[in-house]
Amino acid sequence: GENVEQHPSTLSVQEGDSAVIKCTYSDSASNYFPWYKQELGKRPQLIIDIRSNVGEKKDQRIAVTLNKTAKHFSLHITETQPEDSAVYFCAASLYSGGGADGLTFGKGTHLIIQP
Amino acid sequence: DAGVTQSPTHLIKTRGQHVTLRCSPISGHKSVSWYQQVLGQGPQFIFQYYEKEERGRGNFPDRFSARQFPNYSSELNVNALLLGDSALYLCASSLEGYTGELFFGEGSRLTVL
Repeated sequence: GENVEQHPSTLSVQEGDSAVIKCTYSDSASNYFPWYKQELGKRPQLIIDIRSNVGEKKDQRIAVTLNKTAKHFSLHITETQPEDSAVYFCAASLYSGGGADGLTFGKGTHLIIQP
Repeated sequence: DAGVTQSPTHLIKTRGQHVTLRCSPISGHKSVSWYQQVLGQGPQFIFQYYEKEERGRGNFPDRFSARQFPNYSSELNVNALLLGDSALYLCASSLEGYTGELFFGEGSRLTVL
């Protein structure tokens, strides 16, 4: 089955700086790579996703890059703000809805924005 | 529109007991998935249901079971609870399980003593 590794486990950056979180996956058949943000005591919420036929996707301050050959993808947050503080999870799947095998998640990165 | 709703939000059980967790998907969504999130870890896939049929199952023992009702709501049942079953149980819904975004509920926090 799929295995997703995520680094770092904790990331502390100054407000206004950029943050980068990296993930690797094992199953070359995986086709869908979402990123979820989970605030303390809240539900995971999709913030951006990318499919295997795209190398990069951007939405305002957030971007995701995918390297299918190397089987890794990254989340980039620019001009970080206090409200960006949360736990971020990457995931991989064959299907965006999860399908029969579901989404496989990384262990998460606790992003701390220092004022 | 209401999002995915789950009940109860918190519950405490003792080892060996049984628990039932409930989930109502977003209106129009026919697929429900269940995930277990242990503290400090990412969610782990337990089941996916579509049109009342089990479509997929993760690496969980037979003590875990689920079902989906004609109105697309779902129940997750866990028998013979172990301390290690303490976790946040997340329900997610999607249109039909293969395409579309997964929307998560706020979860049911289960503590096993």
